[in-house]
Parts: sequence; structure tokens; C-alpha cells
Amino acid sequence: DAGITQSPRHKVTETGTPVTLRCHQTENHRYMYWYRQDPGHGLRLIHYSYGVKDTDKGEVSDGYSVSRSKTEDFLLTLESATSSQTSVYFCAISDPGQGTNTGELFFGEGSRLTVL
Amino acid sequence: QKEVEQDPGPLSVPEGAIVSLNCTYSNSAFQYFMWYRQYSRKGPELLMYTYSSGNKEDGRFTAQVDKSSKYISLFIRDSQPSDSATYLCAMRASGTYKYIFGTGTRLKVLA
Repeated sequence: DAGITQSPRHKVTETGTPVTLRCHQTENHRYMYWYRQDPGHGLRLIHYSYGVKDTDKGEVSDGYSVSRSKTEDFLLTLESATSSQTSVYFCAISDPGQGTNTGELFFGEGSRLTVL
Repeated sequence: QKEVEQDPGPLSVPEGAIVSLNCTYSNSAFQYFMWYRQYSRKGPELLMYTYSSGNKEDGRFTAQVDKSSKYISLFIRDSQPSDSATYLCAMRASGTYKYIFGTGTRLKVLA
């Protein structure tokens, strides 16, 4: 299994509070991603990073920010959580172009967030 | 219209059946195609990875890509109850590392 750890795995919070989810990898992969998964929508990309301090928006980035100060850590922050951000959040990693690796995406176990 | 379309199912089959799962897509720039299996309350697990058109086989699983029709398939032979899961297709274009996912098909293999 790819070395990806997400924390916390479960969180319940109230509307308007800030929330930070952490993704930690031990694979030294260049790319890191945050997805959310909701019934009927599948996996949707929130933000991704292609290196330390290099990030870009995905299709559902509004209300989310990210930071990557080290190769191994990628943080997702909800500045002021809303009920529409109740979801399961997945971190993923990829490292295109190294040896036989052709850019497969590997996922963590998910963080289940409930915003009341 | 979504870039990637996938029938959500659920699809129920008897043990031992051949299962066919499919996705269609609209972006002709997609070159890399993946299938993931996701068990309940778990992260997606990569099953198959295919570049461009053609077939790829791995054990009981076969992935097919038909770029002319913008259609990809995953076949599971001799299906087992342990294959019961949600199957997600994903794809990306060359030069980009944004992966686009289908919504997933729920599969149930009945013993």
C-alpha cells in the first residue's frame, strides 16, 4: 500500500468553524491531491499540488484553501465550514515519469467530515 | 454534460458471471485510463491502468479502451462475492495531471 496517512479520519464540527485536514505521504511523490466524494457526484478535485508551494485549483475549489510547505505534507483548510462541505475527503498522490511509473494515482483512506 | 459518464448501477450478478463495466467520455485528449475498486468506507484502490487504445489483462480483469468511440470497459471474469464494490473509472490527458473520475458503478456479486 502507498504510504498515505490522512488525519483526522473522522470529524464533526459546527457551521462557521475552521477545519484543517492533513495528508502525509512517505513516498516522496511530487503530486498531491485533495478530492471530495459525494453520492451522485463521484470524486471531484478540490485542489492539487505539483511541488512544494506550487498548487492549483480543481473543479470545486470555492471555500477551500491548501498549503504545501514540505514534500510530504498537504493541508486542506476550510476557513469557515458550511453544511455543504459535509463529505468524505480523499488525499491522493502521484509521481509521473519516474521509471516504470506512468502516473498512477494512489489514495488515502479518507477523512469523513460532518458540518452541523 | 459531464466529461466522464458512468452508470451508477447497482448491478447485481450471480457468482461466476462475467461482469462488464463501462464509461464514456467526451474529451478526445484523454490518453490515460484507470479503473479503481472502492469498498465501503475505504479509499479507491487502483486495479488497471491503460495508455491510449487497446486491451490490458491482469488475472480475472481485462481493461479495454476504444478511443474512436470514447468508450472504456472493465471486464471481470468468474466474478466472486469479494468483487462486490464500487468501480470507478478515471482518465487524464497527456501533459496534465488532473484526473477526472466517473461517478462509479456499484456491483454486487451474489453467492
